[in-house]
Amino acid sequence: EVQLVESGGDLVKPGGSLRLSCSASGFAFSGYDMNWVRQAPGKGLEWVSSISSSSSYIYYADSVKGRFTISRDNAKNSLYLQMNSLRDEDTAVYYCARPQSATWLVDYWGQGTLVIVSS
Amino acid sequence: DIQMTQSPSSVSASVGDRVTITCRASQAIGSWLAWYQQKPGKAPKLLISIASSLQSGVPSRFTGSGSGTDFTLTISSLQPEDFATYYCQQANSFPLTFGGGTKVEI
Repeated sequence: EVQLVESGGDLVKPGGSLRLSCSASGFAFSGYDMNWVRQAPGKGLEWVSSISSSSSYIYYADSVKGRFTISRDNAKNSLYLQMNSLRDEDTAVYYCARPQSATWLVDYWGQGTLVIVSS
Repeated sequence: DIQMTQSPSSVSASVGDRVTITCRASQAIGSWLAWYQQKPGKAPKLLISIASSLQSGVPSRFTGSGSGTDFTLTISSLQPEDFATYYCQQANSFPLTFGGGTKVEI
């Protein structure tokens, strides 16, 4: 069974930093690209970042470019999102999301981890 | 960036009704489109991939169609468990983008 478990969400002040983790199990993690998708309270889904299986290709939304860094450790079956210079508008539930093979359409989602940026 | 415009933003329907949700891309995306269902407090769930491919375990009352710029999700006979918010997503190019969502209400 595919499982994605996020952790690291917390309350942080504007300008602060946070590192999210996603632990993957039930599939060959090293063979899959991965995504982070977020959802602000009461709002829709917003793609944040994607990373290819070997970390060769990395993509970011303009809203987080230069502040967030996606990475992965295939030996640990883990995906990460380093979030720096956090803003109020980064407040959201952050989902780790696995795309289907050969597409960037997500077939499995984690349960999400809540990040609140507030003074 | 490819904009995904969903309509309607909300729809009121009854059990047994046929519901149609549309998603329009600002430029052609082939068939690189998915539909997701999200219930309050839960992660989204993939219903349809590659525009019309029903995912395993998803009831056959859900149908996806379209290609290019215009796509449709149809629920043929609404069931109580279908009341939720539905999103489309394009995966033709980065940045990946989602539609604004359609809330299906009683």
